[in-house]
Amino acid sequence: DTGVSQDPRHKITKRGQNVTFRCDPISEHNRLYWYRQTLGQGPEFLTYFQNEAQLEKSRLLSDRFSAERPKGSFSTLEIQRTEQGDSAMYLCASSLERSTDTQYFGPGTRLTVL
Amino acid sequence: SQQGEEDPQALSIQEGENATMNCSYKTSINNLQWYRQNSGRGLVHLILIRSNEREKHSGRLRVTLDTSKKSSSLLITASRAADTASYFCATEGRGSTLGRLYFGRGTQLTVWP
Repeated sequence: DTGVSQDPRHKITKRGQNVTFRCDPISEHNRLYWYRQTLGQGPEFLTYFQNEAQLEKSRLLSDRFSAERPKGSFSTLEIQRTEQGDSAMYLCASSLERSTDTQYFGPGTRLTVL
Repeated sequence: SQQGEEDPQALSIQEGENATMNCSYKTSINNLQWYRQNSGRGLVHLILIRSNEREKHSGRLRVTLDTSKKSSSLLITASRAADTASYFCATEGRGSTLGRLYFGRGTQLTVWP
């Protein structure tokens, strides 16, 4: 257990539905990252927060995806109008502010879109 | 792309043997990190090596970094069945202030009892 928690751990939804995932980082960590991992691949960066500010978004994050970190603590990732191609493991990580600090990953939320 | 690439893609060994995995990357880096992932689980951080370091040890792990060749290796000594997992290298680009990591596809290590 790294101290980063994610909820839910598994989500099965039908195409076209909206889903929301939650990430609770390690409490003193002000950086929070979302990554997506598909089968047989390494994680791919989606977006990054420093405190409550979303500072970078990957081109992978289409306009159906939105992420928030309203109080600089937990974060949510919402996918609207899900597509089968959204099926993946969504991973959250947190770290302290220095760029050379370790990122600690949560257990992930596995999304299956039917 | 800054994405690292691990080699081999799969490695199968007996308990007690050493396992060596390699990682190559394309651009200058601040640091390189190795992570382990058990099937269907999150990533566990193993070790971070900075660009000005050449070798680091942590328990049964030994990591080397050759920035001139843009490559790194992870050695697991005296492997155990519990070491069975996927191993990923991840790089943080030089000059990055954001900590964004670029991962390879991983090496699947299987250690037979």
